[in-house]
Amino acid sequence: DTGVSQNPRHKITKRGQNVTFRCDPISEHNRLYWYRQTLGQGPEFLTYFQNEAQLEKSRLLSDRFSAERPKGSFSTLEIQRTEQGDSAMYLCASSLSLGLKNIQYFGAGTRLSVL
Amino acid sequence: AQKITQTQPGMFVQEKEAVTLDCTYDTSDPSYGLFWYKQPSSGEMIFLIYQGSYDQQNATEGRYSLNFQKARKSANLVISASQLGDSAMYFCAMREGMNTGFQKLVFGTGTRLLVSP
Repeated sequence: DTGVSQNPRHKITKRGQNVTFRCDPISEHNRLYWYRQTLGQGPEFLTYFQNEAQLEKSRLLSDRFSAERPKGSFSTLEIQRTEQGDSAMYLCASSLSLGLKNIQYFGAGTRLSVL
Repeated sequence: AQKITQTQPGMFVQEKEAVTLDCTYDTSDPSYGLFWYKQPSSGEMIFLIYQGSYDQQNATEGRYSLNFQKARKSANLVISASQLGDSAMYFCAMREGMNTGFQKLVFGTGTRLLVSP
């Protein structure tokens, strides 16, 4: 049973460029989440999918951010026209919707640096 | 208002000793869950332990236990017999509306634990 996989692990880009991150959840997990973590802070929720439907979006998810989960399996998070303030660790998590607990299991994250 | 407060930026403990990491939370929702995660330097958030607001007993998972005091709104993590591999950041998190389908976890700012030989 492999864990949540995120690619790339590190991304360095210039301001104004577009970037895309990929997340592969634990197989059979129907829920997938994106969080952002800046230095010295805990993760902040961005968005969540149940299967292919995007059910919750944070106000942090500006119109430059778009997330998709087209077939209910892997997900992509795209940031258009990156800004220096987008520099952060982007964490993906997945869970299986059984019972109330619904533990979210995280990947190792993609660290984005915008120069 | 801060929903999750972790007041200890850093904690030091010697190997084999027990350590308590503090977490207080703020919610008016009667149905919520509390979670603790460990984040080593590699970056991955590792789930440790869960406590539901309606659970009568304090949660335990191996060397981890959760000291849940509902009236004080605290959910402290106790690690018994610390090991060198326990050195990491520890985050407390809460999910409100457990029976309404909300999924967002709200995290505290974390506590860095250093275990010395």
